[in-house]
Amino acid sequence: ETGVTQSPTHLIKTRGQQVTLRCSSQSGHNTVSWYQQALGQGPQFIFQYYREEENGRGNFPPRFSGLQFPNYSSELNVNALELDDSALYLCASSLDMGYNTEAFFGQGTRLTVV
Amino acid sequence: QKEVEQDPGPLSVPEGAIVSLNCTYSNSAFQYFMWYRQYSRKGPELLMYTYSSGNKEDGRFTAQVDKSSKYISLFIRDSQPSDSATYLCAMSQSPAFQKLVFGTGTRLLVSP
Repeated sequence: ETGVTQSPTHLIKTRGQQVTLRCSSQSGHNTVSWYQQALGQGPQFIFQYYREEENGRGNFPPRFSGLQFPNYSSELNVNALELDDSALYLCASSLDMGYNTEAFFGQGTRLTVV
Repeated sequence: QKEVEQDPGPLSVPEGAIVSLNCTYSNSAFQYFMWYRQYSRKGPELLMYTYSSGNKEDGRFTAQVDKSSKYISLFIRDSQPSDSATYLCAMSQSPAFQKLVFGTGTRLLVSP
């Protein structure tokens, strides 16, 4: 167990709807990153939050947005869902992005868009 | 062209075999190289982590990085059925472990 928990585990949504995924970081970790892993592919970096501020974004449209809260838990929001958004969404937390410390992954949320 | 290329497999080997997994990459700015193991319906877990070129050994696992060729490898000795999983290579610039760029993953099947 990595101490990083994600909820829900599975989710089914309809095209055009909005979804919020949640991540509880390992205790004391102030850096969280979100990744999208399509079936048969490696994870792709969506964005990163460091001390509640966005700190880098991958090649994802603005309908993918996020938040990090003062307790360093995090949310990923996706608006106007498309079929291609079906994937495993992973969050990874690390102690502090400045110290080359390992990022620990949660078990992921599997999103299915129908 | 993807920044990181990895053969998706599957790679099937008998128990006890030596397994070789590889990735190539195109971005010379990568400095940190990782191998993750991912079991079905689980998140990736870190196996090996290397900075720059060189070799690193941990038990049955050896990671090699050749930055001049932009080529990294993971060797698994005495493979076990419990090693059956998807192996993902990942890379980052500085700092390590941030904004990781992953390969596709290679599915490994070790038969008893």
